[in-house]
Amino acid sequence: SQQGEEDPQALSIQEGENATMNCSYKTSINNLQWYRQNSGRGLVHLILIRSNEREKHSGRLRVTLDTSKKSSSLLITASRAADTASYFCAMEEYGNKLVFGAGTILRVKS
Amino acid sequence: EPEVTQTPSHQVTQMGQEVILRCVPISNHLYFYWYRQILGQKVEFLVSFYNNEISEKSEIFDDQFSVERPDGSNFTLKIRSTKLEDSAMYFCASDMRGYNSPLHFGNGTRLTVT
Repeated sequence: SQQGEEDPQALSIQEGENATMNCSYKTSINNLQWYRQNSGRGLVHLILIRSNEREKHSGRLRVTLDTSKKSSSLLITASRAADTASYFCAMEEYGNKLVFGAGTILRVKS
Repeated sequence: EPEVTQTPSHQVTQMGQEVILRCVPISNHLYFYWYRQILGQKVEFLVSFYNNEISEKSEIFDDQFSVERPDGSNFTLKIRSTKLEDSAMYFCASDMRGYNSPLHFGNGTRLTVT
């Protein structure tokens, strides 16, 4: 079955630095999505990258997908204190079920 | 911007009781989901719902659980005979077409079973 593994589990950086989070998965996917969760709140969709895409940008976010290695990365450039949150990758298997990774807790210090 | 709304935000119940968690998905969305997140753990898929029937469910979603769309706007999750291990955040989500589209999540219901 699909499993999403993320690393690092936690990341602490200074404001202005870049943050990189990685995600690996096991089985074929339709797409891979990244979500953000502020403490005690719902998940907010950040970006979706389809299985035939290799890179996607949205504002300060850059996502890559390597289907041969079954891995993805999320880069947040010029981080801000407000970026402090948990970040989850989620794999859409063929069908409509999203399987989430364990998440990376990002702390941006001002 | 339209939102998925969930009520209540926090529900406390005694073991063995039944609870109903309510959700109002975004109005033009066709696919509905329930996920749960036990404190400090992964977000886990429970069930997906389309065209008034379950389209997929996980191993967690056993006979204790049921979902319903009682009218054109609400989507409910019923948990019968609650157990301590049912304590978690329960998230409702919806999307437009069920594939290659982002999920829109509500803010969740924190269920505490005592």
